[in-house]
Amino acid sequence: QKEVEQNSGPLSVPEGAIASLNCTYSDRVSQSFFWYRQYSGKSPELIMSIYSNGDKEDGRFTAQLNKASQYVSLLIRDSQPSDSATYLCAVNFNTPLVFGKGTRLSVIA
Amino acid sequence: GAVVSQHPSRVICKSGTSVKIECRSLDFQATTMFWYRQFPKQSLMLMATSNEGSKATYEQGVEKDKFLINHASLTLSTLTVTSAHPEDSSFYICSARNAVSAEAFFGQGTRLTVV
Repeated sequence: QKEVEQNSGPLSVPEGAIASLNCTYSDRVSQSFFWYRQYSGKSPELIMSIYSNGDKEDGRFTAQLNKASQYVSLLIRDSQPSDSATYLCAVNFNTPLVFGKGTRLSVIA
Repeated sequence: GAVVSQHPSRVICKSGTSVKIECRSLDFQATTMFWYRQFPKQSLMLMATSNEGSKATYEQGVEKDKFLINHASLTLSTLTVTSAHPEDSSFYICSARNAVSAEAFFGQGTRLTVV
């Protein structure tokens, strides 16, 4: 069974802090990993893709991948209230992407 | 990112009628598209995988005769909810995946209300 696990939250952080979102997955052969942001009532929006071990930075977002530990994370620096949303981790097991249930982030002004 | 256009964004229909939802990939060819539904405060649920030129692959528990999927071209997939009932009311979202990067891009979603 291919699974993607995330803490459901809510994760509350103060404005300006670093938000850290974590995800683990079950299948070692996975090659592609994604983070999506979903605002309430809207469809998911792709914010980061990562394919190799290490860090990948894009603006205030940093994705971190550790294939040996089967772990992928998303860091959001200088968190803003507009970052409040549900963040979905997705893993490509060479079939439809498998999504975690999402972590709800709340950034408090 | 790539653009996936889905419409209508909202639809209200009467019980027993059918509703068609269209999903188009605007700037890349999608041999495979995916259809999800999502209930409030719940996670995405994959309904089916739509394959261009062939039959869709449905997830367990999804009625293929009720949710008709057609993928007639590399840029268009449609989902038809037949004989809709109030319990079919939900948020339906399509997704198209770039075959090279494996990135999946979502349409805007369709909020279906059956009255």
